[in-house]
Amino acid sequence: SAVISQKPSRDICQRGTSLTIQCQVDSQVTMMFWYRQQPGQSLTLIATANQGSEATYESGFVIDKFPISRPNLTFSTLTVSNMSPEDSSIYLCSVGTGNLGGYTFGSGTRLTVV
Amino acid sequence: QKEVEQNSGPLSVPEGAIASLNCTYSDRGSQSFFWYRQYSGKSPELIMFIYSNGDKEDGRFTAQLNKASQYVSLLIRDSQPSDSATYLCAVNTFERGSTLGRLYFGRGTQLTVWP
Repeated sequence: SAVISQKPSRDICQRGTSLTIQCQVDSQVTMMFWYRQQPGQSLTLIATANQGSEATYESGFVIDKFPISRPNLTFSTLTVSNMSPEDSSIYLCSVGTGNLGGYTFGSGTRLTVV
Repeated sequence: QKEVEQNSGPLSVPEGAIASLNCTYSDRGSQSFFWYRQYSGKSPELIMFIYSNGDKEDGRFTAQLNKASQYVSLLIRDSQPSDSATYLCAVNTFERGSTLGRLYFGRGTQLTVWP
């Protein structure tokens, strides 16, 4: 399965600022997914990043708050904009394999907003 | 987000026992089903997937799927302390004409296996 490098692994940010999270995959993948895992909670899908087109956002998530880039088939970024303490979460990127065999996750970015 | 419900737990079993984890889902169009294990502070790792009704066995793990009841379960036989983790049920729904769907997760069940 694909190997995903995600960075930064953690960060502490001031409210009102923005953080960009990077996700690099060791092979070309069609779709990349961004998830959020709030403390003690499960994973919530934020958006699907498609190469060559705009990201598709899930209900409750908007592009102004979570802009996504997907410049090629191995890389994507998620920006958390104008952060507030409620954005403190773990953010994970994920890729599928184009079959039913499951999805692989990056190691995650632990974000704390103060 | 699609609805995926798991038995709330936490679940505690003695070493060597069978741990049973359950999951229901709301979208009848869901086509494949996954169980992930997540250790504290780590990202989820895939342990099983299933897409046909019935049972699928992999070592000590058995996944069971009943699409009519919209129910999927995971059995862990001969539970070990190293199995102690949060188990996440995930459901994949493919959009028409797509070969890759979106994965939606339940809240997870925390399992503790005590020696």
